[in-house]
Amino acid sequence: AQSVTQLGSHVSVSEGALVLLRCNYSSSVPPYLFWYVQYPNQGLQLLLKYTTGATLVKGINGFEAEFKKSETSFHLTKPSAHMSDAAEYFCAVSSYSSASKIIFGSGTRLSIRP
Amino acid sequence: DSGVTQTPKHLITATGQRVTLRCSPRSGDLSVYWYQQSLDQGLQFLIHYYNGEERAKGNILERFSAQQFPDLHSELNLSSLELGDSALYFCASSAQGQPPIAFFGQGTRLTVV
Repeated sequence: AQSVTQLGSHVSVSEGALVLLRCNYSSSVPPYLFWYVQYPNQGLQLLLKYTTGATLVKGINGFEAEFKKSETSFHLTKPSAHMSDAAEYFCAVSSYSSASKIIFGSGTRLSIRP
Repeated sequence: DSGVTQTPKHLITATGQRVTLRCSPRSGDLSVYWYQQSLDQGLQFLIHYYNGEERAKGNILERFSAQQFPDLHSELNLSSLELGDSALYFCASSAQGQPPIAFFGQGTRLTVV
């Protein structure tokens, strides 16, 4: 079975500071990993994904994530936070063998201080 | 706009009642997923349909059922509703192929009173 753990249900950073949202996964087969963002009163939208190949993946809005197999992690980062980044972020895992089931973490709410 | 349409956007109903939530996937997407989002449980995977067939089941209660029709739209039926069923219900769809990239609708907010 696959699972995702997001460390920290709420993260607060100052505008211009580094954003780091943590995600660890469990998967017995090579995983596909995703980060989604949810703005208030909206559905989730894809930020970035890892499938195979380059372990550092870049997404929209300046976010990137690095797949570290040895640490079973897929942390999301952004060098400089912007007020518009305030949202809830979800890490998710799937795999070729999981019949396309996508399992989401519990989410991390990101707040940006002026 | 993700291209996934969910209706209704809001639903208020009484305990014990039955409701049906509807989802129209993006044009051409064969997969439909249903998720429940609540404050205490987070985003829970309920069920996945692919081209009319159930593919995977998550934490879906026996009081809940879903189906995907030949035109690929899907319905989630919730019966004998309880206060604890109040939540946001999301539908997502994805195209054939790997990895599955889920495109989410805006959700149906269900309030059980």
